[in-house]
Amino acid sequence: IAGITQAPTSQILAAGRRMTLRCTQDMRHNAMYWYRQDLGLGLRLIHYSNTAGTTGKGEVPDGYSVSRANTDDFPLTLASAVPSQTSVYFCASSDGAGANVLTFGAGSRLTVL
Amino acid sequence: GQNIDQPTEMTATEGAIVQINCTYQTSGFNGLFWYQQHAGEAPTFLSYNVLDGLEEKGRFSSFLSRSKGYSYLLLKELQMKDSASYLCAPTDSNYQLIWGAGTKLIIKP
Repeated sequence: IAGITQAPTSQILAAGRRMTLRCTQDMRHNAMYWYRQDLGLGLRLIHYSNTAGTTGKGEVPDGYSVSRANTDDFPLTLASAVPSQTSVYFCASSDGAGANVLTFGAGSRLTVL
Repeated sequence: GQNIDQPTEMTATEGAIVQINCTYQTSGFNGLFWYQQHAGEAPTFLSYNVLDGLEEKGRFSSFLSRSKGYSYLLLKELQMKDSASYLCAPTDSNYQLIWGAGTKLIIKP
């Protein structure tokens, strides 16, 4: 089934630990995105990639890094997790970098203690 | 600055009609999206408006007025499965989506 796969679905980790959220898509979409969603707030863009080999910073990039070595994979890394990074993280992709429809993964719920 | 305003929560009755409003201010504008998000799930695409007017798609319609910075989502013949959050997301000059906090719609029998 075509779409986006995120892993893990849910994770609890101690503050200060390093964590990588994985995202893989099989739709050959050029653009990929990482959002966080917190109660009472809209989705906030962390990082994005318009095409393989390029990345850009979104609205809330601090404490996060990404890489885009190929078209399909777009991992998000928290180098040293802090409690304020407790959130639900969604990976998304679109066919182009313009006003295109986003397809979302199922989300990764992260709790930092 | 950029700002999206939509009601936090609305309640409607099964079989009725409901209109969810969204006002926005963005740096540039390249259309507006509506997404549906059921609790614990990912957002899914509902509609996209780039020109003024009404776009109809089955039971759902979306309206845009660019001059007023205003959009609404109209849901007809409400069903229990329409209970979800509805996210308004205009795009800015860089085509980035600016997301509202969403309107939680509760459908009662």
